[in-house]
Amino acid sequence: AQKVTQAQTEISVVEKEDVTLDCVYETRDTTYYLFWYKQPPSGELVFLIRRNSFDEQNEISGRYSWNFQKSTSSFNFTITASQVVDSAVYFCALINGGTSYGKLTFGQGTILTVHP
Amino acid sequence: DADVTQTPRNRITKTGKRIMLECSQTKGHDRMYWYRQDPGLGLRLIYYSFDVKDINKGEISDGYSVSRQAQAKFSLSLESAIPNQTALYFCATSEGRDTQYFGPGTRLTVL
Repeated sequence: AQKVTQAQTEISVVEKEDVTLDCVYETRDTTYYLFWYKQPPSGELVFLIRRNSFDEQNEISGRYSWNFQKSTSSFNFTITASQVVDSAVYFCALINGGTSYGKLTFGQGTILTVHP
Repeated sequence: DADVTQTPRNRITKTGKRIMLECSQTKGHDRMYWYRQDPGLGLRLIYYSFDVKDINKGEISDGYSVSRQAQAKFSLSLESAIPNQTALYFCATSEGRDTQYFGPGTRLTVL
C-alpha cells in the first residue's frame, strides 16, 4: 500500500517570508516517483516537480526548492520569499514503480495563504 | 493552446440526467485518467485507460462510465446524475508511468 501525508492543512504567512510544506510518504517499493502539484484559486492542477527514488539530490528552481530524504521518507517543498501569487493548495503525490499501473496517490493538500 | 482540454468547464444539471464530460489531449500520451476532487477528500481516481482498448476501473467507478474514442480523447459519462456526484472533475494524461498532466477541470453541480 502507498500513502502520502501532508500534515499541514493550512499555512498562513506574510509576503517575503519563507515557508516549507511538509510531505511524508509510505511505500514498500524501492522504486517510486514523487511529485508536487499546485492548485491556484482558479482550480487547475499545475505540475511543479517530479523526483525519482534513486535520485536524492535536492532541486532548486527559482524561489522553489525541494528536499528529498529517503531516510525520513520525506519530500518537503520550500518557497523562499513568498509572494501573494504563491497562494494555492499544494499537493504532494506518489507513484510506485513496481506495477504497470502507476497509481498516483495524492496527499490531502496544504492550503497556503500569502498575505500582502 | 492547452495540451489537455476539458469540456464543458462548468455544468449544472438535475438529478437523473445523463451527463458527458469530454477530454482531449495533444500531448500524444498513451494513458488517460479521470479523477474527481471533493473538499477534504483530495483527488480520487474514477477510471484510467492505457490505450484505446484498455480501460480500467479506479477507486470510485460506481455510477460512472468511460469511452476512449481515440488515443487523444477520453470521455466520462454519468448515466443518471445524483447530487453526491457534485465535484470538480479532472482529466489527466501521461506517457507510461511518467508525470501526469491535468486538464483545467470541470465543475459539475447536480441539483
